[in-house]
Amino acid sequence: EAGVAQSPRYKIIEKRQSVAFWCNPISGHATLYWYQQILGQGPKLLIQFQNNGVVDDSQLPKDRFSAERLKGVDSTLKIQPAKLEDSAVYLCASSLGPGQGGPNTEAFFGQGTRLTVV
Amino acid sequence: GQSLEQPSEVTAVEGAIVQINCTYQTSGFYGLSWYQQHDGGAPTFLSYNALDGLEETGRFSSFLSRSDSYGYLLLQELQMKDSASYFCAVTQYSSASKIIFGSGTRLSIRP
Repeated sequence: EAGVAQSPRYKIIEKRQSVAFWCNPISGHATLYWYQQILGQGPKLLIQFQNNGVVDDSQLPKDRFSAERLKGVDSTLKIQPAKLEDSAVYLCASSLGPGQGGPNTEAFFGQGTRLTVV
Repeated sequence: GQSLEQPSEVTAVEGAIVQINCTYQTSGFYGLSWYQQHDGGAPTFLSYNALDGLEETGRFSSFLSRSDSYGYLLLQELQMKDSASYFCAVTQYSSASKIIFGSGTRLSIRP
């Protein structure tokens, strides 16, 4: 089966510019996550969708970050305006559940988008 | 809130055995999982424990003690390709089924 697709793979922007990332999860996966991974750290959950609804965005800096999941499939994450500290890899992941076999036990990750803000 | 603690770095010799520990504090704990991430790559799932005990998958085993809020990943017959970062992650079930990651352990294998 096809994995999680993300684009672009790399992006360099100047601070205060805007940027958008795209994610196509594995077909049939109800849950979609966006994680931010700063070099040398673990992935930090920014926002989680179940189908096309947000179920958790407690760690999302809402003054500059936004995300949507159209029709419960593809998702976009936007940063506007970007700051230097937003330099990181943005990982999209998807899971089958919950509801089909219980809580989410395994997340499948895309290759990520490496963002550099200069 | 939640917290996960694991060693930042571990070094081992090729062919040896290494154990990476993880302690956690979280509400709504459902299970503990482990992921491997090579430099520049995506995290990939290794194992999941919802019940106490040891789960074995080839050279890798994972253990969970819910009463101690503790788990570990055991890697046997280490190979150079096992050099990577390893993350423990909790599945937290409250209003949503979230997967929260620790800060990771960088495993270096020496010949």
